[in-house]
Amino acid sequence: AQSVAQPEDQVNVAEGNPLTVKCTYSVSGNPYLFWYVQYPNRGLQFLLKYITGDNLVKGSYGFEAEFNKSQTSFHLKKPSALVSDSALYFCAVFKAAGNKLTFGGGTRVLVKP
Amino acid sequence: NAGVTQTPKFRVLKTGQSMTLLCAQDMNHEYMYWYRQDPGMGLRLIHYSVGEGTTAKGEVPDGYNVSRLKKQNFLLGLESAAPSQTSVYFCASSYPPSGWDTGELFFGEGSRLTVL
Repeated sequence: AQSVAQPEDQVNVAEGNPLTVKCTYSVSGNPYLFWYVQYPNRGLQFLLKYITGDNLVKGSYGFEAEFNKSQTSFHLKKPSALVSDSALYFCAVFKAAGNKLTFGGGTRVLVKP
Repeated sequence: NAGVTQTPKFRVLKTGQSMTLLCAQDMNHEYMYWYRQDPGMGLRLIHYSVGEGTTAKGEVPDGYNVSRLKKQNFLLGLESAAPSQTSVYFCASSYPPSGWDTGELFFGEGSRLTVL
């Protein structure tokens, strides 16, 4: 069975500092990995995805993620965090049958001014 | 462009009552999904549909039923609500995967359901 794990319930970072949100995965075959963000009282929004190719994936709002096959990780990063990046972030793995996503438990990011 | 619209946004039910959540999408997507979101558990797939007239079970289907009579609509029903069904429900839609690419999911803004 495929799964993703987000080991941190919350990440606190000062504005302007680098932000990292961790994700590890467990899948059979090649992983298709996603990051979504949820702002308060809103639905999830797509940030970026890894399908194949370059291990560094760039996405929306200045975010990027690094795929590491040996460590089975797909960490989300932003070089300089903004207060407006405060939100709930979800890592997800794709399963081809039914185009289904399996989500991690989410990591709440709090960026302080 | 409305995207994915869910109604109602909030609802309070008593145990044993029934209700239906409606999801409508205007992007001509083939695939539609219902997820529930609970603290610390992420989103869990309840049911999904890969086309008009078809439905399939997800991870947590018990206590829910769905219907996809029209391509643009996906209904989630609770026949006899239980407190364990208190949650935030999200509908999503996507195109089918194509070759090496996958269909990005587009989400509605959620429906908060409380069962007393």
